[in-house]
Amino acid sequence: QVQLVESGGGVVQPGRSLRLSCAASGFTFSSCGMHWVRQAPGKGLEWVAVISYDGSDRYYADSVKGRFTISRDNSKNTLYLRMNSLRAEDTAVYYCAKDLSPHHGMDVWGQGTTVTVSS
Amino acid sequence: QSALTQPASVSGSPGQSITISCTGTSSDVGGYNYVSWYQQHPGKAPKLMIYEVSNRPSGVSNRFSGSKSGNTASLTISGLQAEDEADYYCSSYTSSSTRVFGTGTKVTVL
Repeated sequence: QVQLVESGGGVVQPGRSLRLSCAASGFTFSSCGMHWVRQAPGKGLEWVAVISYDGSDRYYADSVKGRFTISRDNSKNTLYLRMNSLRAEDTAVYYCAKDLSPHHGMDVWGQGTTVTVSS
Repeated sequence: QSALTQPASVSGSPGQSITISCTGTSSDVGGYNYVSWYQQHPGKAPKLMIYEVSNRPSGVSNRFSGSKSGNTASLTISGLQAEDEADYYCSSYTSSSTRVFGTGTKVTVL
């Protein structure tokens, strides 16, 4: 079945880096745009970044621009989020989500991975 | 990239209809027919309920419907059921090719 599984979360000190992964299965990964969305504890959803099906286009929320990098490896059906210079306010559950290509909407979501930035 | 504005809470009795609004600007909601709506139960991942203003993905109940007028989109839930109690978020494509979510609405079934 169609599935997204995130990994790589954990506890990290402010200023350090972390890389999240999202393993996709059950659909043609290389044909779909992919997103990262996060949710701080007790807060709403915040869109983080999107990457096109072939990786040629990437867009970021202002809150992470210049610190986070979204990437993908279509040969491994895997999406990544490299997070540098982490701050306390980056603490959240991070979800990867599949674009309802060619339409606009996120139709498949992973279960999320928790990132805690704390000294 | 300011969040889209939603009411914090909406409530209704079983069988009633409720509507959740989502207000943005001409650079997001008003500029494109790319508004989507998500349902999130506590501790769960969001679920797509409506895409491109008024389209329902396969498997989503026809009790959920979407519309848009100007810079405001709306999600209507008719025949409210206990299982509809959840948080709901709108989202829109923006003129910067980014996406933005709404502030979220907690739906309570009385």
